[in-house]
Amino acid sequence: SQKIEQNSEALNIQEGKTATLTCNYTNYSPAYLQWYRQDPGRGPVFLLLIRENEKEKRKERLKVTFDTTLKQSLFHITASQPADSATYLCALGGRDDYKLSFGAGTTVTVRA
Amino acid sequence: DAGVTQSPTHLIKTRGQQVTLRCSPKSGHDTVSWYQQALGQGPQFIFQYYEEEERQRGNFPDRFSGHQFPNYSSELNVNALLLGDSALYLCASSFGNSNQPQHFGDGTRLSIL
Repeated sequence: SQKIEQNSEALNIQEGKTATLTCNYTNYSPAYLQWYRQDPGRGPVFLLLIRENEKEKRKERLKVTFDTTLKQSLFHITASQPADSATYLCALGGRDDYKLSFGAGTTVTVRA
Repeated sequence: DAGVTQSPTHLIKTRGQQVTLRCSPKSGHDTVSWYQQALGQGPQFIFQYYEEEERQRGNFPDRFSGHQFPNYSSELNVNALLLGDSALYLCASSFGNSNQPQHFGDGTRLSIL
């Protein structure tokens, strides 16, 4: 069965540094991958979408890469700020599939 | 422009009871999906509604059912509640095809005693 794994450990980083989160998957060939941010007690908020034929996408201080050979996506937050502290979720979608399959998320804490 | 709204925000039920959760999608969206999120886990897909029909269903028992109304709002019904149904229930809306970003509400926190 398909499996989606994100960093098992929470990430604690110093303000200004780059946070790098991983999303690995098995037994799946996603057509696209999305990243969401979730704050405690709130619903996920969409950040970025990358398709299977794209290698990299950027939005302001965020960058996502997608390697279909390694079956991995990396999510980078550059020049991190305390306001970036949250749980980040990766979600995969298939070509003829309407559902998103989510990883368990990685919690990021940025120290001032 | 209102985003996705869900009601109620919190609910406490006992085992065996039935519950109905409600969702109004973001203006302009025609598709509603429901997810269940257990503590410390990612959201799990329950089903998606489009044009008032269930378009796709996840691995959830028939105790979970839904409905979409002509104004695109949606309900999630859960019968014969179990302790394991305690979770955050999230509604997400989108427009059109499957690869669109989902707009989530803040969920209904359901606790089963």
